[in-house]
Amino acid sequence: DVKVTQSSRYLVKRTGEKVFLECVQDMDHENMFWYRQDPGLGLRLIYFSYDVKMKEKGDIPEGYSVSREKKERFSLILESASTNQTSMYLCASSLLAGIYEQYFGPGTRLTVT
Amino acid sequence: ILNVEQSPQSLHVQEGDSTNFTCSFPSSNFYALHWYRWETAKSPEALFVMTLNGDEKKKGRISATLNTKEGYSYLYIKGSQPEDSATYLCALIMEYGNKLVFGAGTILRVKS
Repeated sequence: DVKVTQSSRYLVKRTGEKVFLECVQDMDHENMFWYRQDPGLGLRLIYFSYDVKMKEKGDIPEGYSVSREKKERFSLILESASTNQTSMYLCASSLLAGIYEQYFGPGTRLTVT
Repeated sequence: ILNVEQSPQSLHVQEGDSTNFTCSFPSSNFYALHWYRWETAKSPEALFVMTLNGDEKKKGRISATLNTKEGYSYLYIKGSQPEDSATYLCALIMEYGNKLVFGAGTILRVKS
């Protein structure tokens, strides 16, 4: 049974705090992704990684950074959390880009107060 | 900016009704289209990945068709059940691209 896990389901942080969201996959997938989902909008890509230590900006990278030191782990970092980063964050992985389905984690609902 | 549109935004149907939703996208440089189902409190799950014009895929009571020339895909649910209640997302990947662009989704609620 394939699995993508995320470190927290719910998180409450204060404005200005540094926030780490962790994602781990056990499928030996090359690609990993971070999305955020807001009401009325689709999943929007923040960053993705196609190999260890490799990363590419998605559509909304501002205010975020990522780290991929090991193949199975992809971290999203909010350097200085702001209220407009309150959202649902989803991690996903896939074998290769394009025709391979993505497997998603359960999501982290982050509230920044 | 690549735009993937889904309609309707939401749908309420009775148990046993059949229903369908649309995903529209630019037809140029098409590579693949994904459909996902996202139930409340669960992770999104892939339903179909479609690549060829005229593709039809089926999984139980759910099926999908793809028209890449005119830029749309339909998702059909036959005899809707309460457990079909979910948000249905489509996502497009362009030729030479390596990231999915998602539509806003269609929220389906099936009443028993």
